[in-house]
Amino acid sequence: SQQGEEDPQALSIQEGENATMNCSYKTSINNLQWYRQNSGRGLVHLILIRSNEREKHSGRLRVTLDTSKKSSSLLITASRAADTASYFCATDRYRDDKIIFGKGTRLHILP
Amino acid sequence: DTEVTQTPKHLVMGMTNKKSLKCEQHMGHRAMYWYKQKAKKPPELMFVYSYEKLSINESVPSRFSPECPNSSLLNLHLHALQPEDSALYLCASRGRGGGETQYFGPGTRLLVL
Repeated sequence: SQQGEEDPQALSIQEGENATMNCSYKTSINNLQWYRQNSGRGLVHLILIRSNEREKHSGRLRVTLDTSKKSSSLLITASRAADTASYFCATDRYRDDKIIFGKGTRLHILP
Repeated sequence: DTEVTQTPKHLVMGMTNKKSLKCEQHMGHRAMYWYKQKAKKPPELMFVYSYEKLSINESVPSRFSPECPNSSLLNLHLHALQPEDSALYLCASRGRGGGETQYFGPGTRLLVL
């Protein structure tokens, strides 16, 4: 069963613009992670934000977490063609190793 | 080194075949995972091993049989699969020195004929 719901499901933007993806989840979490997947390959870990953190940055990535709304957002600034990929959020519960992925956002950067 | 390796990269098998997928990590991670991913869908958790013991089985059909021979290796034994089992099978690991971040292998693309 999927815990997270991303929106939008698909997003096309011009190169250089910012891309924002959102993730909502249902149960209490220990942390939330964002991953990138290029066309049917393995997933690459982007960033982890803990439940007691509100915002985190890594290069052109900015992640926010609102535990009261059970939601997170991923902002990619100054997008590049190489950012074209699927992006997934994944939630990690306190009590076990179960990590559940959201449905994902397919991002397409237009030249 | 944050590498998880998976073999084979591609596998074609008939419904009566028996095959195995292999996953290996040498990062000292305590937890290892199998996920199944269909096209344009998120990874779907199948099994989790923690300290070489099966800790989570997401009600996966018995034609999929996981095995963790040691702390670095994870196998997925396949028998009598159905065409709908065709998918990308992903292995991941995490824990101890690697913390909570999951590291994924490149996957095995399985086609069942």
